[in-house]
Amino acid sequence: DGGITQSPKYLFRKEGQNVTLSCEQNLNHDAMYWYRQDPGQGLRLIYYSQIVNDFQKGDIAEGYSVSREKKESFPLTVTSAQKNPTAFYLCASSPRWGKRGGLETQYFGPGTRLLVL
Amino acid sequence: AQTVTQSQPEMSVQEAETVTLSCTYDTSESNYYLFWYKQPPSRQMILVIRQEAYKQQNATENRFSVNFQKAAKSFSLKISDSQLGDTAMYFCAFTLSLIKAAGNKLTFGGGTRVLVKP
Repeated sequence: DGGITQSPKYLFRKEGQNVTLSCEQNLNHDAMYWYRQDPGQGLRLIYYSQIVNDFQKGDIAEGYSVSREKKESFPLTVTSAQKNPTAFYLCASSPRWGKRGGLETQYFGPGTRLLVL
Repeated sequence: AQTVTQSQPEMSVQEAETVTLSCTYDTSESNYYLFWYKQPPSRQMILVIRQEAYKQQNATENRFSVNFQKAAKSFSLKISDSQLGDTAMYFCAFTLSLIKAAGNKLTFGGGTRVLVKP
């Protein structure tokens, strides 16, 4: 089955700790994204990557870091610099950037809920 | 910068009836795409419908249809014959045409909670 997987489903972070959220896709999509969702609100873009070994900051990148060493993987690290990390994190992917033909749709994983202890 | 506004925080509808969700957006660009996503209690984001701005015809997907008014920058979603499974948060989202944009970034509205009552 093709899709996007995120792990873990729930993650607990201690004060001053860095934690990494996993996102894997087997859809052969070039572009991947990380969003943050706070209770009762819409999604906000943290980072995105259009191609392997390249990524750009979104609207709320401070306190987060990413890597894109493989096409199918785009892990997100929540660093100790992120003072309010409690949120629901969603990973998404979309087909090849820059190509027309209805390929702009993003497909989402099931999400990871991050809580601070 | 693009913005998306959903002015209805919550709406309720009786099963089998119709409900319309509003969405307005602001952009100076002419080539873009609009989406409605559904987020049920499982919190999985599910694409409901998409609309290309260069198409005048309104998109439809089974019981879901949109009213796209480009000049008014309005993109409403109509759910016909509402079912209990339609209960969810609905988000309107916007992205520029990939040819134009430096990256396919989605901008989301704040969401509308829809409750379908039996």
